[in-house]
Amino acid sequence: AQSVTQPDIHITVSEGASLELRCNYSYGATPYLFWYVQSPGQGLQLLLKYFSGDTLVQGIKGFEAEFKRSQSSFNLRKPSVHWSDAAEYFCAVGAADDYKLSFGAGTTVTVRA
Amino acid sequence: DSGVTQTPKHLITATGQRVTLRCSPRSGDLSVYWYQQSLDQGLQFLIQYYNGEERAKGNILERFSAQQFPDLHSELNLSSLELGDSALYFCASSPSDRVYEKLFFGSGTQLSVL
Repeated sequence: AQSVTQPDIHITVSEGASLELRCNYSYGATPYLFWYVQSPGQGLQLLLKYFSGDTLVQGIKGFEAEFKRSQSSFNLRKPSVHWSDAAEYFCAVGAADDYKLSFGAGTTVTVRA
Repeated sequence: DSGVTQTPKHLITATGQRVTLRCSPRSGDLSVYWYQQSLDQGLQFLIQYYNGEERAKGNILERFSAQQFPDLHSELNLSSLELGDSALYFCASSPSDRVYEKLFFGSGTQLSVL
């Protein structure tokens, strides 16, 4: 079964600084990989997803993620964070022969002025 | 607004009771997923329905059951409630039953068992 690990529980970043959130997955074949964001009091919203092809994926709100098969990673990045990026971020993995997504524990991002 | 509607938004009940959470998927979506989010367990997949049929089952307790009706709305029934069932329950929908589909999440139902 597939699984995903987000090593960082909480990250604090200054507004305007860059952000990188780590995600490591465990799956034998090429996984389907996702990043979702949850703002306070809201449901999850898809930022971006990767299935195949170009390993650098662009998403909404200026986010991008890079799939690295050799490191089993799918890290999320943003060059310059805004205060509105304060939220909880979830990495998720799915398999072609399965119907469900497995979510990581999440990383909470705090943005300081 | 994701288009997924969950009711009620908040529910406070006592141990041993039974509650029903309701989810209306986005117009046209055939799949409904239920997730439980708690501080200690994170986001746990409970169950998926596709066009009225159960498609996948996750860490759903026997005290919990769900169904999807012909109009595609879904209900999650939680019975013999325990303190540990207190959590945020999310419903999500997608057009098909394929895992690569984007999930659209509702705002959740916050369940507090006292």
